[in-house]
Amino acid sequence: QQPVQSPQAVILREGEDAVINCSSSKALYSVHWYRQKHGEAPVFLMILLKGGEQKGHEKISASFNEKKQQSSLYLTASQLSYSGTYFCGTPLGSGNTPLVFGKGTRLSVIA
Amino acid sequence: EPEVTQTPSHQVTQMGQEVILRCVPISNHLYFYWYRQILGQKVEFLVSFYNNEISEKSEIFDDQFSVERPDGSNFTLKIRSTKLEDSAMYFCASRGLTGGTYEQYFGPGTRLTVT
Repeated sequence: QQPVQSPQAVILREGEDAVINCSSSKALYSVHWYRQKHGEAPVFLMILLKGGEQKGHEKISASFNEKKQQSSLYLTASQLSYSGTYFCGTPLGSGNTPLVFGKGTRLSVIA
Repeated sequence: EPEVTQTPSHQVTQMGQEVILRCVPISNHLYFYWYRQILGQKVEFLVSFYNNEISEKSEIFDDQFSVERPDGSNFTLKIRSTKLEDSAMYFCASRGLTGGTYEQYFGPGTRLTVT
């Protein structure tokens, strides 16, 4: 039931791009993306509510394909501050339900 | 900017002892959640709370766990008799009722260490 993320880990040099994928075996109503730095709480990045919709947060954007039951997070021109573990979360059901998180993708950006 | 707060930041307890973890959700939010994260693993849902009652709970949330909203601001998680495997980071999250979005905002967490 939990979403599956790939890759598990990625190392980038500053300025490089990355894509993190999140897929589910069940129908998705929405996909939530969070970033967590070591020892800190997950920080909300964005939520995708509609199929095919793209959203952006600075140089981080995401897409959501309802039919394929997957979402992708795009990090463009990565900065050192992008380092952390990225989690996608999908609702247990529809509406006001808690999130089920993937295992996370550890992103390391090096100078 | 409003935020979720949690106390204590770190709690050390002996196996079998009771612990209470406290959270103050964002003031106009109505949905509250507890999640936990064992070191190096993913964030796991424990329980959700709305309108003064549990709305959903996971299989992790057994009879040893309880939640309460004792007043208009605090939201607590109680573990009656802690086990070693309860050692984890516990996050409280809250979500607003209004608006078309469903963002959950997490607190900074309480690191629980059971010895």
